[in-house]
Amino acid sequence: EIVLTQSPGTLSLSPGERATLSCRANQSVSSNYLAWYQQKPGQAPRLLIYGASSRATGIPDRFSGSGSGTDFTLTISRLEPEDFAVYYCQQYGSSPWTFGQGTKVEIK
Amino acid sequence: QVQLVQSGAEVKKPGASVKVSCKASGYTFIGYYIHWVRQAPGQGLEWMGWINPNIGATDYAQKFQGRVTMTRDTSISTTYMELTRMTSDDTAVYYCARGTSGSYHAAFDSWGQGTLVSVSS
Repeated sequence: EIVLTQSPGTLSLSPGERATLSCRANQSVSSNYLAWYQQKPGQAPRLLIYGASSRATGIPDRFSGSGSGTDFTLTISRLEPEDFAVYYCQQYGSSPWTFGQGTKVEIK
Repeated sequence: QVQLVQSGAEVKKPGASVKVSCKASGYTFIGYYIHWVRQAPGQGLEWMGWINPNIGATDYAQKFQGRVTMTRDTSISTTYMELTRMTSDDTAVYYCARGTSGSYHAAFDSWGQGTLVSVSS
């Protein structure tokens, strides 16, 4: 099973700042099948990035994904008030599909 | 637009079973895999398995093998997830989610609203 470790656990930032979230796998993620999701309280997750770097439909270009193999990054270039949420990475290359434990981006 | 609508909240006793439904609309039902993911209170996301609605093939996470069954009814564009022999550890919000492509190697681009299943004596 591929274990995904996200860091940091919590990121305290102000609107307008840049957020950099990390997702590290304990083995290589097949074909860069790595996704990022945003989840707000009481809501289902929303797909942001798939294939490590492709933005999902309707996702603003301030969200970008990068990385390959075992190290992946989600960057939010300038935080908007609606971006404060929990973010999860997920690999869907090897069964069982697995999620990271999440990074909470909170208002400083 | 793509929509997944799940059945309502359930309260169950330990040892009981639950069957959650997920009705799809706005796309060709048999063209996309459906996955089930759960989230315990205050916790992260846990993948349970997928079903191919076209042929009914399934793949379950090892953790749930023997306790989970995913089925579908193509006539009403609905998938089901049944979990048996539940304990309090199964208390969670259960989500269905659609894969982005016709392969099981796909991220989840549409999600149901979630179904809260509470297990308590």
